[in-house]
Amino acid sequence: DAGVIQSPRHEVTEMGQEVTLRCKPISGHDYLFWYRQTMMRGLELLIYFNNNVPIDDSGMPEDRFSAKMPNASFSTLKIQPSEPRDSAVYFCASRKGPGDSPLHFGNGTRLTVT
Amino acid sequence: QKEVEQNSGPLSVPEGAIASLNCTYSDRGSQSFFWYRQYSGKSPELIMFIYSNGDKEDGRFTAQLNKASQYVSLLIRDSQPSDSATYLCAVIRDSNYQLIWGAGTKLIIKP
Repeated sequence: DAGVIQSPRHEVTEMGQEVTLRCKPISGHDYLFWYRQTMMRGLELLIYFNNNVPIDDSGMPEDRFSAKMPNASFSTLKIQPSEPRDSAVYFCASRKGPGDSPLHFGNGTRLTVT
Repeated sequence: QKEVEQNSGPLSVPEGAIASLNCTYSDRGSQSFFWYRQYSGKSPELIMFIYSNGDKEDGRFTAQLNKASQYVSLLIRDSQPSDSATYLCAVIRDSNYQLIWGAGTKLIIKP
């Protein structure tokens, strides 16, 4: 099984640029999560989808952040315009079934905004 | 008060000893509890989950749950340098079934 696949692994961009992070969940998983991790704030849930439908986006910091899941095998997280404080590791994770099923993480995207 | 609390550490344990990691939570209705391990620069990976009061053993790892006292712990026996990592406690919030994360405890196993 391929696991959760994220791209790119590293992204360095200048302030004001658009950034798009990509995720392919594990086949058959019906929940997809986007997290952000920093030293200061730890692991923060940004948004999650169930069957491609956004369920809770209350963790999205501001309107500069948007996420889509056009089908069961693909999701994007977009930041436009990016700011230095967006620098973090962004993880995508997927899960099959309800809340007590294990969460499987991708390798993450390390974003640096200069 | 944070919903899930962990001592950030670092917790330093000599090789071969037992490492004890603790986590407390505030939602008395929580039913599902997880321990994830995260190596530096890597993603979190699930190592244990526990749903019932008592102990659950898996190899060198034992998860302990006490719902009355609202704490969950992870014991690592015969600690190895390869166990050095940050250990994240996660709890399912009863009201909306969301997974709530602790900040993690950094564990260092000294050879």
